[in-house]
Amino acid sequence: KAGVTQTPRYLIKTRGQQVTLSCSPISGHRSVSWYQQTPGQGLQFLFEYFSETQRNKGNFPGRFSGRQFSNSRSEMNVSTLELGDSALYLCASRETGTGDQPQHFGDGTRLSIL
Amino acid sequence: KQEVTQIPAALSVPEGENLVLNCSFTDSAIYNLQWFRQDPGKGLTSLLLIQSSQREQTSGRLNASLDKSSGRSTLYIAASQPGDSATYLCAVLIYNQGGKLIFGQGTELSVKP
Repeated sequence: KAGVTQTPRYLIKTRGQQVTLSCSPISGHRSVSWYQQTPGQGLQFLFEYFSETQRNKGNFPGRFSGRQFSNSRSEMNVSTLELGDSALYLCASRETGTGDQPQHFGDGTRLSIL
Repeated sequence: KQEVTQIPAALSVPEGENLVLNCSFTDSAIYNLQWFRQDPGKGLTSLLLIQSSQREQTSGRLNASLDKSSGRSTLYIAASQPGDSATYLCAVLIYNQGGKLIFGQGTELSVKP
């Protein structure tokens, strides 16, 4: 099976722009979660989607949003980009919405804000 | 509020040594604990998942233990190799929070040939 695929791998944007990141989960996985990784804050949870519904959301401003499609693929959107949004954005998928399944991560999208 | 701590932040050992990485969490009401490995510039690779009802899990040279009552987990790596060099992260999944994992800051491991 193919792993979690995130596109693009690298992005460079300027302040004020918006960006959309994509995540394709492992085939058959219905849950997709997003995380932000920075050197100072480490890994922080953004949100989780299961069967096209947001199940949980972390402590991030409303500029961060996401959605999930019927094929379980997910997108994350960040509007009005700030310098502090520079980070590695990671997507994780798991087979079910229950806690007995491990989460599998993609290689991430490295977002740099100039 | 659940907090996860990993000690030490960095570790350097000669090849062949057995080593232990530590992870502690403040709230014992966890669903499970997962250990990951992260190579520079890469995503996370899942190593082991321990359910809250389990005491340990093994995969090859890796053994992870869980003591929920004391809020601790250890990852034991036997006969370390230079290819084991990476950052190791532990994360807990807590009840009623969906798929939200709470991560420690990681231990950066360097295995010298």
